[in-house]
Amino acid sequence: AQTVTQSQPEMSVQEAETVTLSCTYDTSENNYYLFWYKQPPSRQMILVIRQEAYKQQNATENRFSVNFQKAAKSFSLKISDSQLGDTAMYFCAFMKSYYSGNTPLVFGKGTRLSVIA
Amino acid sequence: DTAVSQTPKYLVTQMGNDKSIKCEQNLGHDTMYWYKQDSKKFLKIMFSYNNKELIINETVPNRFSPKSPDKAHLNLHINSLELGDSAVYFCASSQGDRVRGEQYFGPGTRLTVT
Repeated sequence: AQTVTQSQPEMSVQEAETVTLSCTYDTSENNYYLFWYKQPPSRQMILVIRQEAYKQQNATENRFSVNFQKAAKSFSLKISDSQLGDTAMYFCAFMKSYYSGNTPLVFGKGTRLSVIA
Repeated sequence: DTAVSQTPKYLVTQMGNDKSIKCEQNLGHDTMYWYKQDSKKFLKIMFSYNNKELIINETVPNRFSPKSPDKAHLNLHINSLELGDSAVYFCASSQGDRVRGEQYFGPGTRLTVT
């Protein structure tokens, strides 16, 4: 079974600064996907960024980037130029490759990020 | 257009009642899911379903049952509600054969059992 660990229950960052959220996972799969989801107070789950395990290049989406270390099973999220709207719960999630069968997401326990003005 | 919708968004009911939460997706996806988010915000899969098979998380009580009238809908029925069922329930969908694998979530249904 896969597990996802987020070791930082809460973090805070000053507006315009950079913050990194940590995530580690455990799996015996070789093909899989990793995601960061954002959940603001509205509770809507919003996909922030995805990473395919077979890609060595780290994914980036505007101010969001990841540091994917496959051997270490680490998948951290860096938010640059933090904005007040980034305040939310952030969930790291793992998904097996579709070709392994039905593929629900396995979530970490989340990190509550507060951006301070 | 809402991609994944759920009704109702809020549901307050008493212990022992039976209730349903509806989910619809207009994305043409072939796989749908139900997740439960508990009071500590932990998200856990309850069911995965496509037109081929239903996968049930073994920790889910059999009072919970998914029902799919068609490919675009996956409703959640809960019998004999208990206090511990209070949570936010999310429906999600994905197209299983797409490599990118993204799941789209509905807005969630907050269930409160009194």
